Amino acid sequence: DAGVTQSPTHLIKTRGQQVTLRCSPKSGHDTVSWYQQALGQGPQFIFQYYEEEERQRGNFPDRFSGHQFPNYSSELNVNALLLGDSALYLCASSHPGTGSHEQFFGPGTRLTVL
Amino acid sequence: AQSVTQLGSHVSVSEGALVLLRCNYSSSVPPYLFWYVQYPNQGLQLLLKYTTGATLVKGINGFEAEFKKSETSFHLTKPSAHMSDAAEYFCAVRRENNAGKSTFGDGTTLTVKP
Repeated sequence: DAGVTQSPTHLIKTRGQQVTLRCSPKSGHDTVSWYQQALGQGPQFIFQYYEEEERQRGNFPDRFSGHQFPNYSSELNVNALLLGDSALYLCASSHPGTGSHEQFFGPGTRLTVL
Repeated sequence: AQSVTQLGSHVSVSEGALVLLRCNYSSSVPPYLFWYVQYPNQGLQLLLKYTTGATLVKGINGFEAEFKKSETSFHLTKPSAHMSDAAEYFCAVRRENNAGKSTFGDGTTLTVKP
């Protein structure tokens, strides 16, 4: 089992550009959550996807959007990038339907906005 | 709303000494509580979790934590620190029926001196 995988590992963009980050959940998991971790801070919840729909959203602007595919993989899109969007973006997967309470985290994508 | 406060952004101990990382939470409903460890340039790894039942929970690498409802605390301890324990530690809280969204503290950096 490869666990949660994310791509790319690192990404450098300039202000105003758009970026897409990708996540493949752990085998058997159907729920994907995205978090933003700024330098020196804890992860902040962006949103959660289940059954290809956004189910919950944190305090992030509409520039942050996502998608979940039928195979449960997910994308995070950020438009009109700002310097403040520079962070580690973490994907986490879970399968609440099994009664498991654990989220498994991927290694993250490091986004740098210049 | 839920929140997590980790007291002490930096903790330094000598190898072999007791490790104590403090976490206090705020939650309007019975919480699920988690401790994660993050090594440089990596994602989050679950150390241990409290959901229901025994309030003293044991995790990986010799760590344990005790849920104290009256003190709204979930402090992480390890009797004897190893050099390999040097990392960033995050406490997180989640609602029982919300597997996709965790609220994290700002983290504590643990340094282990030889």
